[in-house]
Amino acid sequence: EAGVTQFPSHSVIEKGQTVTLRCDPISGHDNLYWYRRVMGKEIKFLLHFVKESKQDESGMPNNRFLAERTGGTYSTLKVQPAELEDSGVYFCASSQDLDRALTSGRAPIGTDTQYFGPGTRLTVL
Amino acid sequence: AQTVTQSQPEMSVQEAETVTLSCTYDTSESDYYLFWYKQPPSRQMILVIRQEAYKQQNATENRFSVNFQKAAKSFSLKISDSQLGDAAMYFCAYRSSLYNQGGKLIFGQGTELSVKP
Repeated sequence: EAGVTQFPSHSVIEKGQTVTLRCDPISGHDNLYWYRRVMGKEIKFLLHFVKESKQDESGMPNNRFLAERTGGTYSTLKVQPAELEDSGVYFCASSQDLDRALTSGRAPIGTDTQYFGPGTRLTVL
Repeated sequence: AQTVTQSQPEMSVQEAETVTLSCTYDTSESDYYLFWYKQPPSRQMILVIRQEAYKQQNATENRFSVNFQKAAKSFSLKISDSQLGDAAMYFCAYRSSLYNQGGKLIFGQGTELSVKP
């Protein structure tokens, strides 16, 4: 089974340019999360998709960030225009079955585990 | 809001020895999940171990075990018989059990573990 993949692995852009990051979750995983680690600080949540719908986007820093999840499969995160403080590593994660975990209170072990991609290192100059 | 704190930015252990990584958290919730994730250099993050707050028994996974102290809001990771492959950044994470929190993870700052041969 293929894991979570992210593209590109590295991106170096000039301030003011646009960058689009892509995440392909594990097949069959309804839940997709974006996280970001900036300057060696803690990893912070950005947003959560359930299939194609945004469940929670409370972590998105501002309106320069736009996330989509076409047809509930892969997701893209676009930064436009990029600023210096956007530099960091962007992680994507997917999980199989969150709803059952939350509504029933207990999930079979593993179904709500978040599997992470390798991350995209974004450098804004 | 929940917070997770890892007070040890770096730790070092001799191969075959035991090391404990610290993690504390703050929450007003009574039911939640705690995780330790490991990110080896240039590789993706993987789940090491998880603990459900309602379980009193500490989770164990082979050489990895946790010391979960709910009242103290402490969740340390013990690695026994350390191996060179254990060298990685370790992240402690919290997840609410509440539906409106959506399953997002709240991470600590990470602890960089090096293993000396």
